[in-house]
Amino acid sequence: NAGVTQTPKFRILKIGQSMTLQCAQDMNHNYMYWYRQDPGMGLKLIYYSVGAGITDKGEVPNGYNVSRSTTEDFPLRLELAAPSQTSVYFCASSYTPRETQYFGPGTRLLVL
Amino acid sequence: RKEVEQDPGPFNVPEGATVAFNCTYSNSASQSFFWYRQDCRKEPKLLMSVYSSGNEDGRFTAQLNRASQYISLLIRDSKLSDSATYLCVTLNSGYSTLTFGKGTMLLVSP
Repeated sequence: NAGVTQTPKFRILKIGQSMTLQCAQDMNHNYMYWYRQDPGMGLKLIYYSVGAGITDKGEVPNGYNVSRSTTEDFPLRLELAAPSQTSVYFCASSYTPRETQYFGPGTRLLVL
Repeated sequence: RKEVEQDPGPFNVPEGATVAFNCTYSNSASQSFFWYRQDCRKEPKLLMSVYSSGNEDGRFTAQLNRASQYISLLIRDSKLSDSATYLCVTLNSGYSTLTFGKGTMLLVSP
């Protein structure tokens, strides 16, 4: 049981490039989330999903897109990377919002 | 007003000390509350849920005051391994997403 996995662990992008952050969970959780965490700041919700085929915007969705074609996978797409997207990105999942959210190890993204 | 506010810290305490963290939340409709722990450059992990009657897990005690919209975490007999950032978290009124505070850093020294 791997829990929540994320790839890559670290990436450097040039301004204007695009990339997809991968997230997968093997706990059969319906709920999945993408957060970003800037230094000294709390986690900010980017997008979330309550099940396959259903996604919704969080607090800071601009510049990102998501899809949820399966229960297990919840990739985050960055289009036209900007320096403001330099951050640590965490994916998380849970059975229900009231229960424990399990986080992946994070992806550190640097946009130059 | 920020939705979840915490003491910024850092709190520097010696081993064996008792330390308390405070948190206030602005959304009176919040239904569930949690403390998460985040080690340096690691992902957050659930420390404990916070129940209306207060709850204890070993050296950790969490309290909730709904009238004051206030949550606390008490750590007794601090260990070096308790050094981390402690995140106060609420479940939003729509019951689908969590709101995280910025966290309070704790440094326990020998």
